[in-house]
Amino acid sequence: DVKVTQSSRYLVKRTGEKVFLECVQDMDHENMFWYRQDPGLGLRLIYFSYDVKMKEKGDIPEGYSVSREKKERFSLILESASTNQTSMYLCASSSIRGNTGELFFGEGSRLTVL
Amino acid sequence: DQQVKQNSPSLSVQEGRISILNCDYTNSMFDYFLWYKKYPAEGPTFLISISSIKDKNEDGRFTVFLNKSAKHLSLHIVPSQPGDSAVYFCAASGGNQFYFGTGTSLTVIP
Repeated sequence: DVKVTQSSRYLVKRTGEKVFLECVQDMDHENMFWYRQDPGLGLRLIYFSYDVKMKEKGDIPEGYSVSREKKERFSLILESASTNQTSMYLCASSSIRGNTGELFFGEGSRLTVL
Repeated sequence: DQQVKQNSPSLSVQEGRISILNCDYTNSMFDYFLWYKKYPAEGPTFLISISSIKDKNEDGRFTVFLNKSAKHLSLHIVPSQPGDSAVYFCAASGGNQFYFGTGTSLTVIP
């Protein structure tokens, strides 16, 4: 069974704290993505990566950074958390070889910043 | 500017009836269109997709229709069941990127 695993389902952090969200996929996918989901705004792309050590900004990269040191792992970093970063964070992966264009999601990490 | 739009934030349907969820897009170069279903506090799960070269794809109770001239796709669920109550996201893919709509919350009333 293919899987995208996010390290934490629920986190509570204080303003100004550094936050790490980790994501691991076991499908040997080249592409990995970080989205945030907020009510009424849908899924908004934060960053994505096509390969190890490569990263591209998505639609809302401000306040975030990412790291991809290994193909299977893609980390999202909030250098100094703020209350407006309270959200559901979703990691996803996809293959460039796929013929359905499917994106596989993790279960999500619900972050609350106080 | 949003490339994929779902103009109905919510939809309520009686159990056993048809649910029709709609989606519009702007970019005619998209390769695939996908529907995802999301329950609260969970990640989205893939439901069904359609290639841009087709106009219909069916999988059990779920059918997706693609009207390229209108840049419109729809998801039909027949018959609707209470377990179908969730948020449904329409997505389009092209060039290894994915573009999502804002979602439609479907409630199926028993």
